[in-house]
Amino acid sequence: KAGVTQTPRYLIKTRGQQVTLSCSPISGHRSVSWYQQTPGQGLQFLFEYFSETQRNKGNFPGRFSGRQFSNSRSEMNVSTLELGDSALYLCASSFSGSGGQDEQFFGPGTRLTVL
Amino acid sequence: DQQVKQNSPSLSVQEGRISILNCDYTNSMFDYFLWYKKYPAEGPTFLISISSIKDKNEDGRFTVFLNKSAKHLSLHIVPSQPGDSAVYFCAASARGTYKYIFGTGTRLKVLA
Repeated sequence: KAGVTQTPRYLIKTRGQQVTLSCSPISGHRSVSWYQQTPGQGLQFLFEYFSETQRNKGNFPGRFSGRQFSNSRSEMNVSTLELGDSALYLCASSFSGSGGQDEQFFGPGTRLTVL
Repeated sequence: DQQVKQNSPSLSVQEGRISILNCDYTNSMFDYFLWYKKYPAEGPTFLISISSIKDKNEDGRFTVFLNKSAKHLSLHIVPSQPGDSAVYFCAASARGTYKYIFGTGTRLKVLA
């Protein structure tokens, strides 16, 4: 069974640009969550999607947005990039049954560097 | 406000001994907890979970203990192996919120 895949793995952008990251969940998984990891901050929750609906979002500015497609693949977009957006962006998928509490399986992440 | 805290940034343990990683939380609505292990340049890997209806869950060398009154959970690894050297994250969730709150991680180093 293929794991969670994220593309691209590495990305370098300049301030003011926008970026789109992609995540393909494990087959059969309908929930996709996104996290931002920066040194010393752990994983910060960005948002969660299930069946194309955003069920929750974290405390990030509106520059961060996402969507999910009918095949459960998800994208996240960051507009008007700032230096502080440099981070590892992780995607996780799960079956997400009742209550949304089950194991999340993570992809390898996309390392975004903003210059 | 950091709702999930891992107060020890790092821990060193001799091979074969027990590793104990700790995690504290503040939100009494959390009722499901997980531990993940992360190697550099990889995504976190699920280790073990525990629901608030239990106080202990075991899986091979890994045991998680939950003390709801103290809002504290711990991960025990016995015996520790050099391959266990990684960053360990605890995470917590409240039913119906569809989000996990992660701690900042503890870097475990198992010395051969």
